[in-house]
Amino acid sequence: QVQLVQSGAEVKMPGASVKVSCKASGYTFTIYGLHWVRQAPGQRLEWMGWINPGNGNTRDSQNFQDRVSLTRDTSANTFYMELTALRFEDSAVYYCARSGSDWSADNWGQGTLVTVS
Amino acid sequence: QSALTQPASVSGSPGQSITISCTGTSGDVGAYNYVSWYQQHPDKAPKLVIYGVNNRPSGVSNRFSGSKSGNTASLTISGLQTEDEADYYCSSYTSSSTLAYVFGTGTKVTVL
Repeated sequence: QVQLVQSGAEVKMPGASVKVSCKASGYTFTIYGLHWVRQAPGQRLEWMGWINPGNGNTRDSQNFQDRVSLTRDTSANTFYMELTALRFEDSAVYYCARSGSDWSADNWGQGTLVTVS
Repeated sequence: QSALTQPASVSGSPGQSITISCTGTSGDVGAYNYVSWYQQHPDKAPKLVIYGVNNRPSGVSNRFSGSKSGNTASLTISGLQTEDEADYYCSSYTSSSTLAYVFGTGTKVTVL
């Protein structure tokens, strides 16, 4: 079955960077894109970006002002999301989610809590 | 556009039907049949319940259905059950210059 397993919770100081990983299994890694989505406490889902694992191409939300970097390691079936210049308001649960051909997020990771404090 | 517009809350009694609206623009909901709906229970990851406007993933109850008219999409839950109490988010691909995918503001569904 499809599984996306994310790295553990992180606590970071303002101005630092965080890198969250998302290991995929149960499907052909290079066929499906991957979304990154975050959710601040009590807030709505916010789309951060998408990566094509086949060629590494990305689509990013400009709401993050170029602070987001999406990468993948095809040898390890793992995706990465790095967020730089962290601010208090970046405290949130960060999710990875597999993307279908219609951009729907059909399988989600368990979420990674990032606290900026 | 930063978010699609949903009502903050919708409620209904067990067995009733409810409908959640999702209003976008001619650059997202109105332009593409790439509208999805997600259910999120507290402290859980979202779960896809509708994709491609009106398609249900395998394993999702047929009590969930989706539709679209113009710039507004809708999710209907029929035969409301207590386990349907959750937050619901719509989403769409968008032609916006600042982002490619957008979520709705979210709707809290309460089963009375």
